[in-house]
Amino acid sequence: AQTVTQSQPEMSVQEAETVTLSCTYDTSENNYYLFWYKQPPSRQMILVIRQEAYKQQNATENRFSVNFQKAAKSFSLKISDSQLGDTAMYFCAFIGYNNNDMRFGAGTRLTVKP
Amino acid sequence: DTAVSQTPKYLVTQMGNDKSIKCEQNLGHDTMYWYKQDSKKFLKIMFSYNNKELIINETVPNRFSPKSPDKAHLNLHINSLELGDSAVYFCASSPPRGGPAGELFFGEGSRLTVL
Repeated sequence: AQTVTQSQPEMSVQEAETVTLSCTYDTSENNYYLFWYKQPPSRQMILVIRQEAYKQQNATENRFSVNFQKAAKSFSLKISDSQLGDTAMYFCAFIGYNNNDMRFGAGTRLTVKP
Repeated sequence: DTAVSQTPKYLVTQMGNDKSIKCEQNLGHDTMYWYKQDSKKFLKIMFSYNNKELIINETVPNRFSPKSPDKAHLNLHINSLELGDSAVYFCASSPPRGGPAGELFFGEGSRLTVL
């Protein structure tokens, strides 16, 4: 079974600075997808960024980028120029290419300080 | 236009009662899910349906019964509610494989409080 580990329960960053959230996963599959979801206090789950395992290039979405290390099974999220609105729980997630079972890490609570 | 909608958003009830949460998606997706988020924010899959067929049924008490009348709807019925059932329940849907990279589209969640 796949497992997703987020080792940082809480993090904080000053507004406008950069922060990196860590995620590791365990799988025997070769093809899969990885995601970072954001959950602000409104509790809505919002997709931040996705990465297909077969793509070597790291995904980027505006201020959000990932460092995907397939051999190390690592998938960290970098948030540049942090904004107050980035304050939220961030969840790393994994899903195999041919299954329907998305697994989530325990989450990292990020606080952006003014 | 809400893509995945759940009702009710909030539900407060007494132990022992039976309650239902409804979910509808207008994205044309084939697969729908129920996830439970506990007080520590941990998200755990409960059920998944593909074209009205149950494909994932995690270890969940049989007091929880999902029902999918069609591929756009997935409801969750809970019998004999217990204190430990208090949580936020998320409905989600996903496109067929080969579509946009396996992403799940979530509803806003339904917060269930059992007193």
